[in-house]
Amino acid sequence: SQQGEEDPQALSIQEGENATMNCSYKTSINNLQWYRQNSGRGLVHLILIRSNEREKHSGRLRVTLDTSKKSSSLLITASRAADTASYFCATVFEETSGSRLTFGEGTQLTVNP
Amino acid sequence: DGGITQSPKYLFRKEGQNVTLSCEQNLNHDAMYWYRQDPGQGLRLIYYSQIVNDFQKGDIAEGYSVSREKKESFPLTVTSAQKNPTAFYLCASRGLGAGELFFGEGSRLTVL
Repeated sequence: SQQGEEDPQALSIQEGENATMNCSYKTSINNLQWYRQNSGRGLVHLILIRSNEREKHSGRLRVTLDTSKKSSSLLITASRAADTASYFCATVFEETSGSRLTFGEGTQLTVNP
Repeated sequence: DGGITQSPKYLFRKEGQNVTLSCEQNLNHDAMYWYRQDPGQGLRLIYYSQIVNDFQKGDIAEGYSVSREKKESFPLTVTSAQKNPTAFYLCASRGLGAGELFFGEGSRLTVL
């Protein structure tokens, strides 16, 4: 399995601070994605970075990818209480039978008002 | 509105019973997925399907079965062979050549 591993498992910060979450994986990938999950809900896609990209931005989100180290990071700038959620990375491997998306264990982010 | 609908949202089952979770999408997506999530943990892939009448085992397929008779539907049956079925089950779909998964709101199964 090429399941991603994330750290930290939990992160607690104050509003306005930046939050950084890291993801490591084991095998080659086609792209890597980050998702957010509010408690008891489905996941929502945040951002996708392809294997030939090194950095990508979307609003307050910044994602980096280092394929030589098999790692990625998600930075949320100027955090808000509404950012409180679990964040997961997902590695994507394209096979002839379809695309497998494998998720990490997640980081629980708490943003305190 | 386009999206993915999972039902039921909550389900209770006695040990030894099979149960089927429904997943329907009207996004015209080709690929569909089933994941299992245990408390405080990540998602584990059960089954996925790229096209109608074809599906592949994921990492934890034992004790589960699926069918893909229609593009819109990908039901998951949790059989009595699944040793620890209590979990949160998430269905997702993905367009051909697209990147992101679209998720349903999940079905929480509790075995009594």
